[in-house]
Amino acid sequence: NAGVMQNPRHLVRRRGQEARLRCSPMKGHSHVYWYRQLPEEGLKFMVYLQKENIIDESGMPKERFSAEFPKEGPSILRIQQVVRGDSAAYFCASSPNRPSRGEKLFFGSGTQLSVL
Amino acid sequence: QQQVKQSPQSLIVQKGGISIINCAYENTAFDYFPWYQQFPGKGPALLIAIRPDVSEKKEGRFTISFNKSAKQFSLHIMDSQPGDSATYFCAASFLNSGYSTLTFGKGTMLLVSP
Repeated sequence: NAGVMQNPRHLVRRRGQEARLRCSPMKGHSHVYWYRQLPEEGLKFMVYLQKENIIDESGMPKERFSAEFPKEGPSILRIQQVVRGDSAAYFCASSPNRPSRGEKLFFGSGTQLSVL
Repeated sequence: QQQVKQSPQSLIVQKGGISIINCAYENTAFDYFPWYQQFPGKGPALLIAIRPDVSEKKEGRFTISFNKSAKQFSLHIMDSQPGDSATYFCAASFLNSGYSTLTFGKGTMLLVSP
């Protein structure tokens, strides 16, 4: 039973390019979350998605960032026109149910984005 | 505004000693307090969690102590082992609009020396 799969593990982009980060949740999980971890910072919530729906994007920057979780295929976090400040580790997590009290999140190993 | 403050930033403990990590929160609506453990190159994994209706929860060598009035909670690792060396994150959440999202502390890097 594979865990949450994220790819790529490492992604290098030049300023102005686009970054696409992929996340395949655990089998049977239809709820996906993206978190960003800056150096020496905790994980910051970005967005919560359910299949084909964005439930909560309150943590997403208003510009350049978007996320989707289509009916088929992985969830995608897309960052357009990347800047150096976007360099961070991006973690995806999934759960089988809507995250109520005590819902356990399963995290992937993350994508380390480096912007040159 | 940092809603969950964690200390210390780093901690070195000798093998067999007790590791203590503290967290304080501001939002009294929080009602679920998990701790996550993260090894280098890996994602965080749930270690132990507590709800505010109890003051302590113990699972093996790991214990959470919770002080609702002070809005503080802490993780105690008894008989610390080198394999416990990792980064530990406290977190908090509350139910809002039918779901909850986790707010994390900044993390504590624990090194247990042999």
